[in-house]
Amino acid sequence: DIQMTQSPSTLSASVGDRVTITCRASDNVNEFLAWYQQKPGGAPKVLIFQASTLQSGVPARFSGSGSGTEFTLTISRLQPDDFATYYCQQYSGASTFGQGTKVEIK
Amino acid sequence: QLQLVESGGGLAKPGGSLRLSCSASGFIFNNHYMSWVRQAPGKRLEWLAYISGRSTFDNYADSVRGRFTISRDNAKNLVFLQLDNLTADDTAIYFCARDPRVGAAGFYYFDLWGRGTLVTVSS
Repeated sequence: DIQMTQSPSTLSASVGDRVTITCRASDNVNEFLAWYQQKPGGAPKVLIFQASTLQSGVPARFSGSGSGTEFTLTISRLQPDDFATYYCQQYSGASTFGQGTKVEIK
Repeated sequence: QLQLVESGGGLAKPGGSLRLSCSASGFIFNNHYMSWVRQAPGKRLEWLAYISGRSTFDNYADSVRGRFTISRDNAKNLVFLQLDNLTADDTAIYFCARDPRVGAAGFYYFDLWGRGTLVTVSS
């Protein structure tokens, strides 16, 4: 299986900050990469698919980039609602997820 | 309203069984592949199984193949996950999730998730 590694595992930031999360794949996944946001007790919510396509209804401050084995999720100006855990998922082969990045209030 | 609602979780003994259900609403259910994904406490999400819209195809993660069985009832808009021979490592929140494509096969991302049902395996 393809292993997904996110960094950092925890990120402390303030409202208005620009935030970047990295996801690395152990093998080439082309652009078959999605990003999710999950809040405590809630279901994951897709933000980005196909590495850079914004899911309908997701604010434009979220963006994704990358291909192959290295990907990034960027939040341009962090809002109070964005404090959550973020996961990447590859779906090039049997789906696997990153270990998560918790974005917490500084 | 687009919605997935899981049920059937609870406490099971090691070696025991449970049957999870996921009720879908707000979309044409048999058009979509459905998956089960779990999340053990403090762990990453883990895809477990998918089933095609007409139940023609299914696929399982190696970690559950032979112990878990996915099925669906399109007349009732339900997808199931039968969990057999449970171990403590199966303790997790179990989510059902929808592949957004109509009629397409294989792995993809998930655009609709339920809130999950908790399975605890303990003696």
